[in-house]
Amino acid sequence: DAKTTQPPSMDCAEGRAANLPCNHSTISGNEYVYWYRQIHSQGPQYIIHGLKNNETNEMASLIITEDRKSSTLILPHATLRDTAVYYCIVINAGNMLTFGGGTRLMVKP
Amino acid sequence: EPEVTQTPSHQVTQMGQEVILRCVPISNHLYFYWYRQILGQKVEFLVSFYNNEISEKSEIFDDQFSVERPDGSNFTLKIRSTKLEDSAMYFCASGRQGLETQYFGPGTRLLVL
Repeated sequence: DAKTTQPPSMDCAEGRAANLPCNHSTISGNEYVYWYRQIHSQGPQYIIHGLKNNETNEMASLIITEDRKSSTLILPHATLRDTAVYYCIVINAGNMLTFGGGTRLMVKP
Repeated sequence: EPEVTQTPSHQVTQMGQEVILRCVPISNHLYFYWYRQILGQKVEFLVSFYNNEISEKSEIFDDQFSVERPDGSNFTLKIRSTKLEDSAMYFCASGRQGLETQYFGPGTRLLVL
């Protein structure tokens, strides 16, 4: 599976959009981009995933560049409860999720 | 909304003892997983299970570990003889199909003394 690179930490003001980048320059054509988050030692929580097209659900939007080498997770109106570690994971045929260090997002009042 | 549940939430055991961690995956899911997270470290894959057999396992998942689906609802992780370094949060996850989204349980915090 392709390796991902994320900034170790980011801050965001409450109510503003949080844009979390992820670089996956070695991604191959059949690999999906998944985003999970982990709130303080709770179980990882699925957020969203995509292959080529941008995706949106009730939690977030996922923007994938045309060359698929990077993506951005957007939380449109961050709240204090969105403070968490966000993981960008690229996965294809294998069943296992490989978690990196993620981005620690701190939402501040 | 269906959830993965895990019991117990916390377990304290003595080194060398056997522990069984239990998980109830989401009911129509066919793929089951165990991950662990040592305090302050990354979430690590242990094993995946499908059709009553292990489909993948990591180097961590040695002979001290085993998994079982003893009935139609439970999925268990057994550690035969616990070591201090087995202290961690253990997360169970399930998914409908192999490449589909995995949903995680709340975890079991295992402390080996």
